[in-house]
Amino acid sequence: TQLLEQSPQFLSIQEGENLTVYCNSSSVFSSLQWYRQEPGEGPVLLVTVVTGGEVKKLKRLTFQFGDARKDSSLHITAAQPGDTGLYLCAGDTTGANNLFFGTGTRLTVIP
Amino acid sequence: NAGVTQTPKFQVLKTGQSMTLQCAQDMNHEYMSWYRQDPGMGLRLIHYSVGAGITDQGEVPNGYNVSRSTTEDFPLRLLSAAPSQTSVYFCASPTGLAKNIQYFGAGTRLSVL
Repeated sequence: TQLLEQSPQFLSIQEGENLTVYCNSSSVFSSLQWYRQEPGEGPVLLVTVVTGGEVKKLKRLTFQFGDARKDSSLHITAAQPGDTGLYLCAGDTTGANNLFFGTGTRLTVIP
Repeated sequence: NAGVTQTPKFQVLKTGQSMTLQCAQDMNHEYMSWYRQDPGMGLRLIHYSVGAGITDQGEVPNGYNVSRSTTEDFPLRLLSAAPSQTSVYFCASPTGLAKNIQYFGAGTRLSVL
């Protein structure tokens, strides 16, 4: 059973384009996190959102937590080749040791 | 990946062999976890520990043993490796008020033939 579904699974875009990645679930999460993972490395935390409707910005990345705390989105403005990587969302239902990860979105930004 | 060290980085085993994946953290965190990452499956929790001497099962614990004799170390043991255990293994150490800030190691890529 996959608690968190991410879409799209793969995304290839040109440098300068905008994109949105979605993370959806039927479960309610107390918090939701986004990670970026590069080949041969572990995931690196980008942001944690905890309040329904919360929007956080990290330079060109905008993260939103759904009002019902069941879904989240990541929007990247003017993508750059350095944004290439695997983006993972992870939801926390009962504490940090019960993190459920999405299947990931593999982003490639072409120069 | 600062603060969480995993060894080895790569390992090839034959079916039935045993091995231990090492994980150490120097951040004095109480919590440590092991995940496996498979294509199309995301990361899945194997075992976790909330402190020295305390461990518990995650989502996919079968075939794996853990122990936590010190705060720093959290080894993962495969007693009799199976091809289904071919995966990339990540050790993580959460912190923060809600334990929702996860630091991951660089991973161990394991192949079981």
